[in-house]
Amino acid sequence: GQNIDQPTEMTATEGAIVQINCTYQTSGFNGLFWYQQHAGEAPTFLSYNVLDGLEEKGRFSSFLSRSKGYGYLLLKELQMKDSASYLCAVRDSNYQLIWGAGTKLIIKP
Amino acid sequence: DSGVTQTPKHLITATGQRVTLRCSPRSGDLSVYWYQQSLDQGLQFLIQYYNGEERAKGNILERFSAQQFPDLHSELNLSSLELGDSALYFCASSGASGAETQYFGPGTRLLVL
Repeated sequence: GQNIDQPTEMTATEGAIVQINCTYQTSGFNGLFWYQQHAGEAPTFLSYNVLDGLEEKGRFSSFLSRSKGYGYLLLKELQMKDSASYLCAVRDSNYQLIWGAGTKLIIKP
Repeated sequence: DSGVTQTPKHLITATGQRVTLRCSPRSGDLSVYWYQQSLDQGLQFLIQYYNGEERAKGNILERFSAQQFPDLHSELNLSSLELGDSALYFCASSGASGAETQYFGPGTRLLVL
């Protein structure tokens, strides 16, 4: 079967750095996505990786290792507004998105 | 604002009833996806339409159905509603190739009493 694993919940301090990991086992691979979702709101697109390596976009960076079936989202200089759920999703060989259950990130002052 | 619109924003109904949720994709997008998200749960993929045709099916109940119209808007019909159907229902759209990012609408919050 297809599976995406990410931690259920993480806690970090304002101003710090946090890394949210995502491991996947899917039928083929055509990209790894990260979305941010505030409670009761729609998911919003953060990043997309299809080649190995690190993609940096402001305070957020995303990393992919296809050989390890692994990626992560790195958030720097954490702000209170970063408190949200972070969803990892992988596009499989049929171009369908397989979603992880999401990681709830709690930021403390 | 993602450019995807959904109506209504909120819906309260009773068990056994039928409701219709509506979605208009971003301009130029041909694919529409429907998701269900129960409280504190992950996104559950229901169904995808591409240019009016069903493209992929996820965990969609037989009581639920969807369609995409020639103007590319889509409707999700939920019938014989149960308490457990209470959830956020999101629509997302993506471009023509299918190999593009999905952008989500604001969702419809359904409460079944």
